[in-house]
Amino acid sequence: GENVEQHPSTLSVQEGDSAVIKCTYSDSASNYFPWYKQELGKRPQLIIDIRSNVGEKKDQRIAVTLNKTAKHFSLHITETQPEDSAVYFCAAPISGGYQKVTFGTGTKLQVIP
Amino acid sequence: GAVVSQHPSRVICKSGTSVKIECRSLDFQATTMFWYRQFPKQSLMLMATSNEGSKATYEQGVEKDKFLINHASLTLSTLTVTSAHPEDSSFYICSARDLFESDTQYFGPGTRLTVL
Repeated sequence: GENVEQHPSTLSVQEGDSAVIKCTYSDSASNYFPWYKQELGKRPQLIIDIRSNVGEKKDQRIAVTLNKTAKHFSLHITETQPEDSAVYFCAAPISGGYQKVTFGTGTKLQVIP
Repeated sequence: GAVVSQHPSRVICKSGTSVKIECRSLDFQATTMFWYRQFPKQSLMLMATSNEGSKATYEQGVEKDKFLINHASLTLSTLTVTSAHPEDSSFYICSARDLFESDTQYFGPGTRLTVL
């Protein structure tokens, strides 16, 4: 099955700086990689996703890069703001149908004003 | 965007009782819904996949007789925690996959279960 590792577990940045979170996966057949943002006590919110036919995707201050050869993908947040503070999870598909995904262990991002 | 609701948002019950949690897709059809459990400061752990009109498939280590799942329609799945015990206290979150979108999962707001 798929194994997803996520680093770092915690990340503190100054407001305006960039933040990068990395995930690795094990199943070379995986083809869809979403990133979720979860604020305390709330639901995970999809913030960006990437499919394996592209190497990078950007949406305003958020970007995701994918390296299929190395089997890792990264979330990049530029010009960080205090409201970016949350826990971020990466995910990757689990083989076996129904589009199940397994989640990374999460990164708690703190943006210091 | 697609909206998933979950009810109740919070429940406190006594040990030994059963609790039912509902997950609804409000503006789209979902043949597949997923149930997750999240302990404090931990990641989401997939418990089971709920398929409309058929039996749910459970992840390894999840007791199907304890966590009963029913997916009776394209917009509703229910999770019943039977004979709940304090160790079942957790944040239960459902997600639904839009029938016409291949990959995206939309999450419900979660249910905080506390078993006394």
